[in-house]
Amino acid sequence: ETGVTQSPTHLIKTRGQQVTLRCSSQSGHNTVSWYQQALGQGPQFIFQYYREEENGRGNFPPRFSGLQFPNYSSELNVNALELDDSALYLCASSHWTGDPTDTQYFGPGTRLTVL
Amino acid sequence: LAKTTQPISMDSYEGQEVNITCSHNNIATNDYITWYQQFPSQGPRFIIQGYKTKVTNEVASLFIPADRKSSTLSLPRVSLSDTAVYYCLVGPLNTDKLIFGTGTRLQVFP
Repeated sequence: ETGVTQSPTHLIKTRGQQVTLRCSSQSGHNTVSWYQQALGQGPQFIFQYYREEENGRGNFPPRFSGLQFPNYSSELNVNALELDDSALYLCASSHWTGDPTDTQYFGPGTRLTVL
Repeated sequence: LAKTTQPISMDSYEGQEVNITCSHNNIATNDYITWYQQFPSQGPRFIIQGYKTKVTNEVASLFIPADRKSSTLSLPRVSLSDTAVYYCLVGPLNTDKLIFGTGTRLQVFP
């Protein structure tokens, strides 16, 4: 167990809807990253938050947005859902200290299905 | 970040040693090599990390030659529960993102 929790476990939405996924970081971690993993593929980086500010973003459109709260928990919001958004969404937390060996710890993911 | 190449799949039997090799010809001086394990419908789990030579922990060993253009993850005496996808990642670990490839799907048979 990594101490990173995500909710909900599974979610079914229809095209055009909006969805909010939640992540609770491991205790003491100040950084959270979100990844999208399509079936049979490796996780793809969406964005990272450090101390409530976006700290890097992958190749995802603006309809993917996020928040990090003062307690370092986080949300991923996706607007105008498309069928291709169906995937496992993973949250990873870490404690950034500037040490190049900082490790990201992943949660179990939220399985989103868009119909 | 350096691109990695690893076998798509490997098969083994319980009790055998499994070696998964990853190629990363364009590795940079400040890049580290990290391996993650992922079970179906779970998040990746950190296994081992190294910069050069050999690293060993309670789960695996990581062998890195002097030129660092490849690395080998060694799993001693695998069991059925080691059936998973194994990802090799290369990059500075204080980066904002980890770049995963498609990984190596290891199937362990009884």
